[in-house]
Amino acid sequence: DTAVSQTPKYLVTQMGNDKSIKCEQNLGHDTMYWYKQDSKKFLKIMFSYNNKELIINETVPNRFSPKSPDKAHLNLHINSLELGDSAVYFCASSHILAGVYEQYFGPGTRLTVT
Amino acid sequence: GENVEQHPSTLSVQEGDSAVIKCTYSDSASNYFPWYKQELGKGPQLIIDIRSNVGEKKDQRIAVTLNKTAKHFSLHITETQPEDSAVYFCAASIRGDMRFGAGTRLTVKP
Repeated sequence: DTAVSQTPKYLVTQMGNDKSIKCEQNLGHDTMYWYKQDSKKFLKIMFSYNNKELIINETVPNRFSPKSPDKAHLNLHINSLELGDSAVYFCASSHILAGVYEQYFGPGTRLTVT
Repeated sequence: GENVEQHPSTLSVQEGDSAVIKCTYSDSASNYFPWYKQELGKGPQLIIDIRSNVGEKKDQRIAVTLNKTAKHFSLHITETQPEDSAVYFCAASIRGDMRFGAGTRLTVKP
């Protein structure tokens, strides 16, 4: 299936731990993103990568670091996890079609920090 | 930066009725306005979009309108069905930098 996939789907961990979420897209897109969705369902962009280059870096704590080993992958590493990091994290990818970026989302990773 | 406001936050309609969700944006440079449907436990799914050079677009039971002058855009769903129940998000985008509205929880009662 062509899609944006994320692993794991659920992640439960303790405060202070370091964890990673992986994202892969096989759509041939050049740009990938990470979004955070809080408990009120608000979707906020965190990072955007184009051809392995960071192009959007919103004000997120530097405990969050995106890593793009190649165009098809954008992983999110989080150090020293805090309770407030609990949320659903979505990866997305996009291609340019007639001058606009159509974005497609993965299924999400629900992170729970205890 | 871009700010997108979305109303209403919740909407309940009877099956077969129409539903309308409205959004406003602040940055006149935004040129792409997608709408996403998010079902429980799933990622947002792109259902329809409109570009800044178009005023209206329709796809079966859903339609979007854009008023660039007023910086308004709307989603219209006709003949609603229970499977339309979900959270709907509008967004405004400039070169891939996409800002979302707060979402509308639509409930279609059979």
